[in-house]
Amino acid sequence: EADIYQTPRYLVIGTGKKITLECSQTMGHDKMYWYQQDPGMELHLIHYSYGVNSTEKGDLSSESTVSRIRTEHFPLTLESARPSHTSQYLCASSEYNPGDKAFFGQGTRLTVV
Amino acid sequence: GENVEQHPSTLSVQEGDSAVIKCTYSDSASNYFPWYKQELGKGPQLIIDIRSNVGEKKDQRIAVTLNKTAKHFSLHITETQPEDSAVYFCAASIVEGTGGFKTIFGAGTRLFVKA
Repeated sequence: EADIYQTPRYLVIGTGKKITLECSQTMGHDKMYWYQQDPGMELHLIHYSYGVNSTEKGDLSSESTVSRIRTEHFPLTLESARPSHTSQYLCASSEYNPGDKAFFGQGTRLTVV
Repeated sequence: GENVEQHPSTLSVQEGDSAVIKCTYSDSASNYFPWYKQELGKGPQLIIDIRSNVGEKKDQRIAVTLNKTAKHFSLHITETQPEDSAVYFCAASIVEGTGGFKTIFGAGTRLFVKA
């Protein structure tokens, strides 16, 4: 069982609100990721981090931001939520080197109304 | 950059039959190929993986084959059961210039196993 946790599991929020999706892992992994998963299943990498104080943008442009102040914690923030942000957000982590097997959290299903 | 294509997008089989999902990748430098299973309401979970120095790997009812020359790899599930119904993702990992790695996922296959 992977030790990576996301909260909340489900969130319904009004347009314009600021939200933070939490992700924590207890495996000591250096690399962490945020994926956005659309209803068609496809996973889109929106942010990743190599370690503390490292954040990189992924392949899909996103209005969200991330921070990595602690190894185990990689929160994602939306300053002003919009209906277009409605999606499933998945957090994952892996070791840096050799770095391959990714462990995913259960996801946060966000609905912006 | 690396591109991973996965087929089919949907697969329906009868319980007990075999299921095969195929993926192709574009970058010959890719060296690690994991497969993930995502059940409804959950995050993807690694079910099997293979490295580029191996041609085939098996774990009970699931197996993965890799053809480096053709740059394709496949997931085989034998004696399928209803609990195999899920979305399956293939992926290819490549080492980046920074010394880290990048994983590219396929678009996913939704497998239905009919009882």
